[in-house]
Amino acid sequence: EAGVAQSPRYKIIEKRQSVAFWCNPISGHATLYWYQQILGQGPKLLIQFQNNGVVDDSQLPKDRFSAERLKGVDSTLKIQPAKLEDSAVYLCASSNLAEQETQYFGPGTRLLVL
Amino acid sequence: AQSVAQPEDQVNVAEGNPLTVKCTYSVSGNPYLFWYVQYPNRGLQFLLKYITGDNLVKGSYGFEAEFNKSQTSFHLKKPSALVSDSALYFCAVRDISYGQNFVFGPGTRLSVLP
Repeated sequence: EAGVAQSPRYKIIEKRQSVAFWCNPISGHATLYWYQQILGQGPKLLIQFQNNGVVDDSQLPKDRFSAERLKGVDSTLKIQPAKLEDSAVYLCASSNLAEQETQYFGPGTRLLVL
Repeated sequence: AQSVAQPEDQVNVAEGNPLTVKCTYSVSGNPYLFWYVQYPNRGLQFLLKYITGDNLVKGSYGFEAEFNKSQTSFHLKKPSALVSDSALYFCAVRDISYGQNFVFGPGTRLSVLP
């Protein structure tokens, strides 16, 4: 079974630029999560989708971050404009409806904002 | 609000010795508890979870954890550490009574010395 795929693996941008990350969950997983992991901290949930609907986006900085999962499969997270404090690893995870408690994580995208 | 504490930033143990990585939590209702491991440049991998039932939970790679409701703890243990166990370990909690999402602890770096 293929795992959660993310791209790119690394990205370096300057502040005020925009950036987008892509995630393809495990096939058949209805729930998709985006997390932000700042160096030295645990992951923080940004947004949770179930199919193509948003379940929880309470911690998403909506003035600059946006995410979509239009067809209920893969998802894109965008930052526009980026700030220095957005430097982090962005993790995507997915879970199936029968076992929502177990999340499967992708390798992450490491973002550096200069 | 729910929270997770991992009181030790770093745990060092000799190969072959037992290891313990500590986790305490705070929730308003009933907790679901999890342990994840993160190897360098990789996403988080699920180790084990407590949902209900037996307080001693067995997981992947010989790890186990004990749910202690009175002490609000969920410490991760392994009888005999391997050098390959060296990684970053995250405890996470979900307050299922309030439909809350996952909250991760700050992580504990485990170093197993040969």
